Amino acid sequence: GDSVTQMEGPVTLSEEAFLTINCTYTATGYPSLFWYVQYPGEGLQLLLKATKADDKGSNKGFEATYRKETTSFHLEKGSVQVSDSAVYFCALRKLSSGSARQLTFGSGTQLTVLP
Amino acid sequence: DADVTQTPRNRITKTGKRIMLECSQTKGHDRMYWYRQDPGLGLRLIYYSFDVKDINKGEISDGYSVSRQAQAKFSLSLESAIPNQTALYFCATSDVSSSTDTQYFGPGTRLTVL
Repeated sequence: GDSVTQMEGPVTLSEEAFLTINCTYTATGYPSLFWYVQYPGEGLQLLLKATKADDKGSNKGFEATYRKETTSFHLEKGSVQVSDSAVYFCALRKLSSGSARQLTFGSGTQLTVLP
Repeated sequence: DADVTQTPRNRITKTGKRIMLECSQTKGHDRMYWYRQDPGLGLRLIYYSFDVKDINKGEISDGYSVSRQAQAKFSLSLESAIPNQTALYFCATSDVSSSTDTQYFGPGTRLTVL
């Protein structure tokens, strides 16, 4: 079945450091890919998405490129801030006909940014 | 006001008790979902509903039931709670007319079963 693998956390960085959170997936067909962020005490929020190969999703300084050849969707940010401290989830969804178009989530990566 | 609300936000109960978690949305979306989040496991889908008359089991539906009382309301019940149902529960919604079907999440309910 479909699956998403994220780099294990927690990740601790200093403010203004470069961030990469790795995400790889296993799926048949051509899934849509997502990054969700969960701030402390809150629900998940969509951070960015990409629906086809070579698409780049971006938001709030974060970027991720849909790489079909490596089945990856790594999250990057050039300069993190303390306010970026959160849990980040990679997810995929297949547009199967007649199905739920369910999201399959990775296990999440806790990011802590120190001032 | 939040578009997706969940009540209660926190609940502690005992083994064997019946518990209901409620979700309401003001986004006008047709689709609603219930997930549970466990440390190190991400989110797993319990049940989902495409409209009031359409309820479907997700990945981990055993021990749970749901009710879609209206387009805006979707409740999750634990008929006889057990300790391994201790988790963070999230409701989500999505719009069938959206090409990417983005899901919008509520703030979560933290349930502890003693």
